[in-house]
Amino acid sequence: GAGVSQSPRYKVAKRGQDVALRCDPISGHVSLFWYQQALGQGPEFLTYFQNEAQLDKSGLPSDRFFAERPEGSVSTLKIQRTQQEDSAVYLCASSFLTGQETQYFGPGTRLLVL
Amino acid sequence: ILNVEQSPQSLHVQEGDSTNFTCSFPSSNFYALHWYRWETAKSPEALFVMTLNGDEKKKGRISATLNTKEGYSYLYIKGSQPEDSATYLCARYGNKLVFGAGTILRVKS
Repeated sequence: GAGVSQSPRYKVAKRGQDVALRCDPISGHVSLFWYQQALGQGPEFLTYFQNEAQLDKSGLPSDRFFAERPEGSVSTLKIQRTQQEDSAVYLCASSFLTGQETQYFGPGTRLLVL
Repeated sequence: ILNVEQSPQSLHVQEGDSTNFTCSFPSSNFYALHWYRWETAKSPEALFVMTLNGDEKKKGRISATLNTKEGYSYLYIKGSQPEDSATYLCARYGNKLVFGAGTILRVKS
């Protein structure tokens, strides 16, 4: 498809389990972003890639969160030793060049940690 | 204003009503203001990206204005339809997108 895709769409994890969330951006888009949306709030920035370089990871809430984009296209957000407070919708977005221009979002992965 | 704030939090209108929402944001180090529409179980959809003070943009029945000096943007929907029901998010871009909590719109037929 032409849009941003994310998988899985839903993930239930037991507390302490590691999870990996995948994002396939629009082909040719240089910039890729991850956001976390808690219930009742707007999305919050986690991290930003320009091609394969992670230029900003200031929003990652702890060292249990790790993101990569090794070949400058597909990205994976990994959460180690999940906690209940990690339950949220994780959104991925891509843009052609910079974050200032339109960002195209995927449908999100809804993570529930029990 | 330190954060991006949206009002009202939710809105219920009748089909055919016109409505508007407000987005307030810090005016310093401003580069762009984004509006998105997010329907349940779908991806957030970009509506507008505005950068210049006084910008006005229109897409069908939806329009938006921008005041960067005082730090606010208005989104207008003319003649609301049930398919307009969604959460409307604004986000300010300084060096990253900072979102408001959104306005939930429900249009009753």
